[in-house]
Amino acid sequence: AQSVTQPDARVTVSEGASLQLRCKYSYSGTPYLFWYVQYPRQGLQLLLKYYSGDPVVQGVNGFEAEFSKSNSSFHLRKASVHWSDSAVYFCVLSATGNYKYVFGAGTRLKVIA
Amino acid sequence: GGIITQTPKFLIGQEGQKLTLKCQQNFNHDTMYWYRQDSGKGLRLIYYSITENDLQKGDLSEGYDASREKKSSFSLTVTSAQKNEMAVFLCASSIVGTGDEQYFGPGTRLTVL
Repeated sequence: AQSVTQPDARVTVSEGASLQLRCKYSYSGTPYLFWYVQYPRQGLQLLLKYYSGDPVVQGVNGFEAEFSKSNSSFHLRKASVHWSDSAVYFCVLSATGNYKYVFGAGTRLKVIA
Repeated sequence: GGIITQTPKFLIGQEGQKLTLKCQQNFNHDTMYWYRQDSGKGLRLIYYSITENDLQKGDLSEGYDASREKKSSFSLTVTSAQKNEMAVFLCASSIVGTGDEQYFGPGTRLTVL
């Protein structure tokens, strides 16, 4: 069975500071991994996706994530956050040949002045 | 670009009532999904459909029915609403599945009195 753990339910950072949101997954094969963002009262939007190749993938709005097979992790990073980045971020796993997507519980990011 | 439309945006029902939520997509995607999002939690899969007239149960299908009579639409029925139930129901679609990006609707917020 697959699972995704986002250990930090809430993260608060100052505007302009760097950010890392953590994601650990459990899956024996090579997963498809995604980060989605959910702004208040909206659906989820894709930030980035990884399947193979360079373990560092670039996404929208200056976000990037790094895949580590040895650590079973897919952490999301941003060099300098803006107040508009305040939202809920979900790490998602899709197993090869499986239509189901497994969601982490989400990390609520608050950016303060 | 395409869009996913969910109706209604807000749904208020009585305990024991049968309630129907609708989702339309114009991406021409094959696969569609219904998720339930409870406050502070990740998304849980209720039903998905890999093509017209196909239905697959997710992890949370008990208490729900679904219908996919057209490629572009996917309906979800709460068969007997539970008192004090509050959740957001999100519809999503993807080209096929298995590692494809999912596109999400804005959600239907359910309140049961």
